[in-house]
Amino acid sequence: ETGVTQTPRHLVMGMTNKKSLKCEQHLGHNAMYWYKQSAKKPLELMFVYNFKEQTENNSVPSRFSPECPNSSHLFLHLHTLQPEDSALYLCASSQGQNAVGTDTQYFGPGTRLTVL
Amino acid sequence: AQTVTQSQPEMSVQEAETVTLSCTYDTSENNYYLFWYKQPPSRQMILVIRQEAYKQQNATENRFSVNFQKAAKSFSLKISDSQLGDTAMYFCAFILTGANSKLTFGKGITLSVRP
Repeated sequence: ETGVTQTPRHLVMGMTNKKSLKCEQHLGHNAMYWYKQSAKKPLELMFVYNFKEQTENNSVPSRFSPECPNSSHLFLHLHTLQPEDSALYLCASSQGQNAVGTDTQYFGPGTRLTVL
Repeated sequence: AQTVTQSQPEMSVQEAETVTLSCTYDTSENNYYLFWYKQPPSRQMILVIRQEAYKQQNATENRFSVNFQKAAKSFSLKISDSQLGDTAMYFCAFILTGANSKLTFGKGITLSVRP
């Protein structure tokens, strides 16, 4: 169905838990992205990695920690989250290269996160 | 800063009819790209159509076409011969050309296709 996969698809965690979201792309892309999608709000860009280097941190709280070990994998480590962090977290990838901004982004199915 | 506005939160259309989804954006730049993404209830965000700002010709993809009015900063999506599978949220998005540009999304519009 898609060249971008995300696991888990659903996650429920307490505020003191530590969990990780995983994203994998099979498109040969070099740029990967994390977005937060909350109800009634536009998608919010969180992090951008281009060739494994973080090029964007959109003022995201430190309780969200990204990791990009290679161009195909992207993680989002979560710790001491708040209930307002409950949302759909989308991963995306694009060609990258020299002009990351003009590449079409391809999205994964998302992880529905609920923080109790 | 760039902004994208989708003022209609919901729309409904009869199957086989045509519907137009509105989008306006604001930028002082001249070189950019515009996109329409579709997010069905299964949540997979799918690219519908893409328009380069330097191209005057409106982009088309099968039943999907856009009306790009650069001077008016308007980028509407027309869906012809609507199908039940078109039921989804539709997001308009904008990005400047160049490295490190960020994709800016509108709030989205929920389209329901009635049988």
